[in-house]
Amino acid sequence: EAQVTQNPRYLITVTGKKLTVTCSQNMNHEYMSWYRQDPGLGLRQIYYSMNVEVTDKGDVPEGYKVSRKEKRNFPLILESPSPNQTSLYFCASRGALEAFFGQGTRLTVV
Amino acid sequence: DQQVKQNSPSLSVQEGRISILNCDYTNSMFDYFLWYKKYPAEGPTFLISISSIKDKNEDGRFTVFLNKSAKHLSLHIVPSQPGDSAVYFCAASALVSGSRLTFGEGTQLTVNP
Repeated sequence: EAQVTQNPRYLITVTGKKLTVTCSQNMNHEYMSWYRQDPGLGLRQIYYSMNVEVTDKGDVPEGYKVSRKEKRNFPLILESPSPNQTSLYFCASRGALEAFFGQGTRLTVV
Repeated sequence: DQQVKQNSPSLSVQEGRISILNCDYTNSMFDYFLWYKKYPAEGPTFLISISSIKDKNEDGRFTVFLNKSAKHLSLHIVPSQPGDSAVYFCAASALVSGSRLTFGEGTQLTVNP
């Protein structure tokens, strides 16, 4: 079954404490990306990766880092989280046509 | 610069009637369009798509129409069912931009029994 798995599903953290949200796909897709969903703003792309070791900024990259050491994994790193990064995060991978999304990570930074 | 816009944050329809969700885009390079459905506490799931070489694509109760001259697409759901209640996102991509998808803000559809 085609799957994008992200963890954790829910996370509450404090300002400044580094965290990583993991993402893994089993479809051998080259393209992966991270989005955040905020009310009234839809899905905004944070970072994307065209292939292993190839990453680039999306529309809202400030405060985030990513890495792509293997094709299947694309973790999102918040080195020093701030309250404005409280959001719902989705990882996605895309083949030739549609993108597949993970179930989301609800992050709260207090 | 919002390249994909869904101007209606919400839409409410009666069960059995038609739901029409609209989406406008500004980038003329977009050549592939998708609709996603999202239930609470789940990730978006792919619903239907259309290439710019077509003006209509149908899949069961779902039909997407594309008007390239107006840079407008719409999703028709007929007949609407209560289980269709969800947030619907329109997305677009351009071959020249690789696999990147640009999303609209989403429309919350509520189908009342």
